[in-house]
Amino acid sequence: DVKVTQSSRYLVKRTGEKVFLECVQDMDHENMFWYRQDPGLGLRLIYFSYDVKMKEKGDIPEGYSVSREKKERFSLILESASTNQTSMYLCASSLPGLATDNEQFFGPGTRLTVL
Amino acid sequence: DAKTTQPTSMDCAEGRAANLPCNHSTISGNEYVYWYRQIHSQGPQYIIHGLKNNETNEMASLIITEDRKSSTLILPHATLRDTAVYYCIVSIRGGTSYGKLTFGQGTILTVHP
Repeated sequence: DVKVTQSSRYLVKRTGEKVFLECVQDMDHENMFWYRQDPGLGLRLIYFSYDVKMKEKGDIPEGYSVSREKKERFSLILESASTNQTSMYLCASSLPGLATDNEQFFGPGTRLTVL
Repeated sequence: DAKTTQPTSMDCAEGRAANLPCNHSTISGNEYVYWYRQIHSQGPQYIIHGLKNNETNEMASLIITEDRKSSTLILPHATLRDTAVYYCIVSIRGGTSYGKLTFGQGTILTVHP
């Protein structure tokens, strides 16, 4: 069974802290994505990566960075957490190619609260 | 990517077919229609996709109009576990998009006993 796992389901951090959200997939997928989901705004793409050490900005990259040192792991970093980054964070992966690019497998999400 | 319009919410009786509409009047020739759903407290789940022909898999059927300006996702025998938010997305495949999807607000489908 294919799997995308995220390091925490719930996380509480303080303003100004550096926060790491980890995502691991066991499907040997090249593409990985980070979204955030907020009520009334739907899912919004923060960053994505199409290969190890490669990254592309999504629609709302401000305040975030990412790291992809290994194929199976994609990390989202909040350099200095702020209260407006309180959200549900979702990681996804997919195989590259015309047949599979948009069939993304999602993790269960991390609900981050910044106090 | 083209934008989509979906009803905010729909109800369906258990065991009946659920027909979820989606308008995508500005879809371009190389854009596919994708459907995902998100059950409460879970990540989204891929359901089905199509270009212009109708498609069916073990989860659902997708009917795309001839002009491709709208589509309908059909859950033939809805169960309580189908209660979820359903997202209709149009997107090109491959190339520099790298499978980048834009999720809208979706339709909240509630299946009643």
